[in-house]
Amino acid sequence: EVQLVESGGGLVQPGTSLRLSCAASGFAFDDFAMHWVRQAPGKGLEWVAGISSNSGSIVYADSVKGRFTISRDNAKTSLYLQMNSLRADDTAFYYCAKDMGPQAARPGWFDPWGPGTLVTVSS
Amino acid sequence: DIQMTQSPSSLSASVGDRVTITCRASQNIYSFLHWYQQKPGEAPKLLIFGASSLKSGVPSRFSGSGSGTDFTLTIDSLQPDDFATYYCQQSYSTPRTFGPGTKVEIK
Repeated sequence: EVQLVESGGGLVQPGTSLRLSCAASGFAFDDFAMHWVRQAPGKGLEWVAGISSNSGSIVYADSVKGRFTISRDNAKTSLYLQMNSLRADDTAFYYCAKDMGPQAARPGWFDPWGPGTLVTVSS
Repeated sequence: DIQMTQSPSSLSASVGDRVTITCRASQNIYSFLHWYQQKPGEAPKLLIFGASSLKSGVPSRFSGSGSGTDFTLTIDSLQPDDFATYYCQQSYSTPRTFGPGTKVEIK
């Protein structure tokens, strides 16, 4: 069974950093692109970043470009999101999601999703 | 960026009703359109990919149609487990963008 489990969320102050992790199991992790998608409480879904299966291609939403860094460790079957210069509007549930293929910037869908981890940015 | 809209934003329906949700893209996205269901406190789940392909294990009362800019998600004979929020998502271009969601509530 494919499983994705996020961790690393919490309450942080504006301007600080946080690193999210996503542990993957049940599939050939190094064959698939992976993504982070976020959802502010009570709001809709926003794609944040994607990384290809071999880390050769990385794409970001404009809202996080220059502040967030997506990475992966295929040996550890893990996905990461380093978030710097956090702002109040970064407050959201962060989900990791598996792509249907190896390329993050090619047409594809998200399936499955992890249960999410909540990041709250507040002073 | 491609903008996605959905209508209605919410609807009330009864068990057994047929429900139709519309998704529109700001430009031609061919069939690169996918539908997700999200229940409160849970992550979204894929229902339909490629506009009309049902994910394995998803009940056949769910169906999708459309291409280009206009798409539809239909739920035949609404069941209690179907009350949720539904999102469309395009993958024709990066960034992948979602519609604002349609909340299906119990009448």
